[in-house]
Amino acid sequence: GESVGLHLPTLSVQEGDNSIINCAYSNSASDYFIWYKQESGKGPQFIIDIRSNMDKRQGQRVTVLLNKTVKHLSLQIAATQPGDSAVYFCAETYNQGGKLIFGQGTELSVKP
Amino acid sequence: NAGVTQTPKFRILKIGQSMTLQCTQDMNHNYMYWYRQDPGMGLKLIYYSVGAGITDKGEVPNGYNVSRSTTEDFPLRLELAAPSQTSVYFCASGTANYGYTFGSGTRLTVV
Repeated sequence: GESVGLHLPTLSVQEGDNSIINCAYSNSASDYFIWYKQESGKGPQFIIDIRSNMDKRQGQRVTVLLNKTVKHLSLQIAATQPGDSAVYFCAETYNQGGKLIFGQGTELSVKP
Repeated sequence: NAGVTQTPKFRILKIGQSMTLQCTQDMNHNYMYWYRQDPGMGLKLIYYSVGAGITDKGEVPNGYNVSRSTTEDFPLRLELAAPSQTSVYFCASGTANYGYTFGSGTRLTVV
């Protein structure tokens, strides 16, 4: 169901530490997942994606893990930097990219 | 390429007025989306389109209408503006193979 009225959860980490942001998705038929970063006053920016036939995908300083059994997605950011401070959203879609639904989001705050 | 262009960037409407939020993409994407984002909250899907002439409701379609006469354009119409429609509106386009690109948003205030 929807988390109507709930504000974003926050994660605070020290600069240089690794960050892990979690997301529970809703549709077991979803076959494509994306992580977005949103900075204040801007639109969402693509970070990394993963398809349902994969469990893990790595990018530059970021790794996405997918657990289809429990419908869980995570984003790992290595050596977190102040520039990583933003809100992070996961999104899911199915059937070759029809409805694209966003998760609740997590606000990441990096302390110098 | 300009990507996804939204106009206007800001707008103040009075209750009961109508307006159209414009969204244009130059990437020849079939899929286009409209979202609203309330302060401190996530993005909620209003309407989406999988190609010219095809539109479908998202999570929060009430109070809005869309059309998709061309691949490039996906306007969002508010017929009778209400304070509950005060929000930031984002348009996006893309494909499942190449990801999705978002516009910079339209900040709408209804007073």
